[in-house]
Amino acid sequence: DTEVTQTPKHLVMGMTNKKSLKCEQHMGHRAMYWYKQKAKKPPELMFVYSYEKLSINESVPSRFSPECPNSSLLNLHLHALQPEDSALYLCAISPGTQTLNTEAFFGQGTRLTVV
Amino acid sequence: DAKTTQPPSMDCAEGRAANLPCNHSTISGNEYVYWYRQIHSQGPQYIIHGLKNNETNEMASLIITEDRKSSTLILPHATLRDTAVYYCIVRVATSSGNTPLVFGKGTRLSVIA
Repeated sequence: DTEVTQTPKHLVMGMTNKKSLKCEQHMGHRAMYWYKQKAKKPPELMFVYSYEKLSINESVPSRFSPECPNSSLLNLHLHALQPEDSALYLCAISPGTQTLNTEAFFGQGTRLTVV
Repeated sequence: DAKTTQPPSMDCAEGRAANLPCNHSTISGNEYVYWYRQIHSQGPQYIIHGLKNNETNEMASLIITEDRKSSTLILPHATLRDTAVYYCIVRVATSSGNTPLVFGKGTRLSVIA
C-alpha cells in the first residue's frame, strides 16, 4: 500500500482550463514535494513544502501554483498550461526537510496531458 | 545537479545477481547514498540507503567503498519484475537546509529470461 495518494491518476485538460492535482498522506510527515517527469527523463524537483510553508520553488512558471492547506494535503493548481507541460507529476513526502537520513516516499503520480 | 554517474543501461539474466554501479566522487562526509527504482510509469520506489557501512534489507544490498567515492547496489536474485530504471542519489542539503532528492539519469536494468 502506498502511503501517498495522488488524484486523479490521469488528467486531460485544455490550454484554457483550470485544474488541480491532489496529494494526500496520513503518515504525519512534514516535508512534501512536487516533481515533474517528462517521458524517458528523470523526475525534476518543482516545489518543496516544509511544515506547510513553501521552502523551495525551482523557478517554476507561475501557471503552476502549489498549495499546502494542512499537514496531510498538498495541491498543485494548474492554469493556462501548454502542451509541453504534459508529463507525470509526482508527489513525495519525508519526515522532515532538515535530515539526510530518512527515506522519501512517492505517490504513483498523475499523468497529465495538455491539449 | 546530480552528484552521481551511472551507466545508462545494463542487462542481467533472470536468477543471477544484478550489480549496479554508481560513482559519486564528490560526496561529502555527511551525505547519504540513496537508491530508488522506477518501474514504467509508476512512482519511484525506495530501495535502500547508507552513509559508509554496507547495508542490507529484504530488497537489496548496498556496498559503499571505503573512500565513499562509489557504491554498488546488488539485487541478489534478479527477476523479470526487477526490470526498471535504478537511480543512485546523493542526498545533499541546500543552503536553506532542505534535503530534497535530486535525480540523475539512472541505469535502465533489463532482466532477461
